[in-house]
Amino acid sequence: AQTVTQSQPEMSVQEAETVTLSCTYDTSESDYYLFWYKQPPSRQMILVIRQEAYKQQNATENRFSVNFQKAAKSFSLKISDSQLGDAAMYFCAYRSAKGGNQFYFGTGTSLTVIP
Amino acid sequence: DSGVTQTPKHLITATGQRVTLRCSPRSGDLSVYWYQQSLDQGLQFLIQYYNGEERAKGNILERFSAQQFPDLHSELNLSSLELGDSALYFCASSVGLGGRGPGELFFGEGSRLTVL
Repeated sequence: AQTVTQSQPEMSVQEAETVTLSCTYDTSESDYYLFWYKQPPSRQMILVIRQEAYKQQNATENRFSVNFQKAAKSFSLKISDSQLGDAAMYFCAYRSAKGGNQFYFGTGTSLTVIP
Repeated sequence: DSGVTQTPKHLITATGQRVTLRCSPRSGDLSVYWYQQSLDQGLQFLIQYYNGEERAKGNILERFSAQQFPDLHSELNLSSLELGDSALYFCASSVGLGGRGPGELFFGEGSRLTVL
């Protein structure tokens, strides 16, 4: 089975600064999707951004962007101009493009935003 | 609002009891997933259904069972409850079985189960 690793259990960032959360994954497949989900204190899981492996261009959603390095099997999330509302647990997830739609989640990174 | 509805939001019960958690997927979604999240832990995949059929099973205990009904709603049954079953139980849905297309998961707000 594929594995997703988030090596930073906790991170902190000053408000308005930039922070990068790391994610690596292990797969033998070439076609897959990667996701970052945010879980704020409300505990709701919210999709932040997605990346398709066959697309070279890094995905961007407003202040959130990814650095997708396919050869290195790395998928980091960059949050620019951090806001207090960005404080949350962030989960990286992998899904194969083959049928079945199995998702593999990392263990999460808890982000604290310091005012 | 993700469009996924879970009930109840909170549930407190005693050890040895049985509870049922309910999930209505987003309109049009055929796949339903159940996840368990214990305090300050990651997501444990329990089980996946697609259009009424079980598709994948994760770390689901034998005391737990689930099903997906013809109207696509799903129920997770937890029996002979133990203290360690206290957790947040998430339901998520997706359009189909993935393949091409993002097929991301849309999560409900979760059902928080406390076993005393």
